[in-house]
Amino acid sequence: DVKVTQSSRYLVKRTGEKVFLECVQDMDHENMFWYRQDPGLGLRLIYFSYDVKMKEKGDIPEGYSVSREKKERFSLILESASTNQTSMYLCASSLFPSGSTQETQYFGPGTRLLVL
Amino acid sequence: DQQVKQNSPSLSVQEGRISILNCDYTNSMFDYFLWYKKYPAEGPTFLISISSIKDKNEDGRFTVFLNKSAKHLSLHIVPSQPGDSAVYFCAVNTGTASKLTFGTGTRLQVTL
Repeated sequence: DVKVTQSSRYLVKRTGEKVFLECVQDMDHENMFWYRQDPGLGLRLIYFSYDVKMKEKGDIPEGYSVSREKKERFSLILESASTNQTSMYLCASSLFPSGSTQETQYFGPGTRLLVL
Repeated sequence: DQQVKQNSPSLSVQEGRISILNCDYTNSMFDYFLWYKKYPAEGPTFLISISSIKDKNEDGRFTVFLNKSAKHLSLHIVPSQPGDSAVYFCAVNTGTASKLTFGTGTRLQVTL
């Protein structure tokens, strides 16, 4: 079974803090994704990566950056946390190389972040 | 502009009855569609998918129907069980670097 783990289930941070969210997958997947989930808005893609050291902006990248130094690990960074970044953050991974349309993503359990 | 729409934010169904969740999309070029289920405080889990070359895919109690001319897909759960109570997201592969675009979700409650 695919396993995607996220470093924290719950986080409380203060406005202006730098926040790191870590995600690790154990299935040698090529692609990794960061989403945020908010009520009434569904899952929105922040950033994704289809290879080590590669990154692509998703639909809502503002205020975030990412790092992928190793294939299995994809980090989401909030450079200066703000209250509107309070959300559930979900990491996902998928096997197929970029360009495939037969895509299934596997999700981690999520990190609920509260920014005060 | 929302490429994937789930117009019903919630649905309540009695145990044993059929649950029908709906999803509309805008682009006729989309060719792979998925449904995910999400429990509170957990990540979404993949449920079932369908390719645009088919109009139906079945897996146990779950069936997904695709109507390409209407740009509409639906998920049928028969019979519904209390453990099916969750939020259901439809998603489409938009064909760009394996990205999925998700709908806003429908919260299904299966009552006893």
